[in-house]
Amino acid sequence: KAGVTQTPRYLIKTRGQQVTLSCSPISGHRSVSWYQQTPGQGLQFLFEYFSETQRNKGNFPGRFSGRQFSNSRSEMNVSTLELGDSALYLCASSLETPTNTGELFFGEGSRLTVL
Amino acid sequence: GENVEQHPSTLSVQEGDSAVIKCTYSDSASNYFPWYKQELGKGPQLIIDIRSNVGEKKDQRIAVTLNKTAKHFSLHITETQPEDSAVYFCAAMNLGNEKLTFGTGTRLTIIP
Repeated sequence: KAGVTQTPRYLIKTRGQQVTLSCSPISGHRSVSWYQQTPGQGLQFLFEYFSETQRNKGNFPGRFSGRQFSNSRSEMNVSTLELGDSALYLCASSLETPTNTGELFFGEGSRLTVL
Repeated sequence: GENVEQHPSTLSVQEGDSAVIKCTYSDSASNYFPWYKQELGKGPQLIIDIRSNVGEKKDQRIAVTLNKTAKHFSLHITETQPEDSAVYFCAAMNLGNEKLTFGTGTRLTIIP
């Protein structure tokens, strides 16, 4: 069974640009969450999607957005990049059944460097 | 919102000895507490979790305990091996809102 797949794995952008990251969840998983990981702030929740609807959102500015498609794949977008956006962006998927609620499975992440 | 504190930030243990990592949480509504292991260059991997209706859960060399009254939970690794070296994160969630709040991580080093 394939795990959570994130693309691209590494990317370099300059300030002011925008970036789109992609996440394919484990087959059958309908919930997709995004987290930002930095040395200074640790792992922080960005947002969570279920059946193409954003159900939960963390405390990030509006430059950070996401969406989910009908096949559960998700994308997140960061516009007007700042140096502080350099981070590992992690996607996690969840099966979302009464007995499996909460178990998140993470991908390897997309490492974004903003110059 | 939820706040999770994790201690220690670094831990060195002789191979074969036990390691204990402790976390406290603030939101009494949290009812799901997973532990993740993150190796260099990889995403966090779920190693064990516990729900608030139980006080202890064990899986081979790994165990987690939960004290709801004191709002703290701990990870215990026995008979440590070199491959246990990694960064470990605790987290807390209120099931239903699908938002994990993570601790700051513990870098565990197993000394051969």
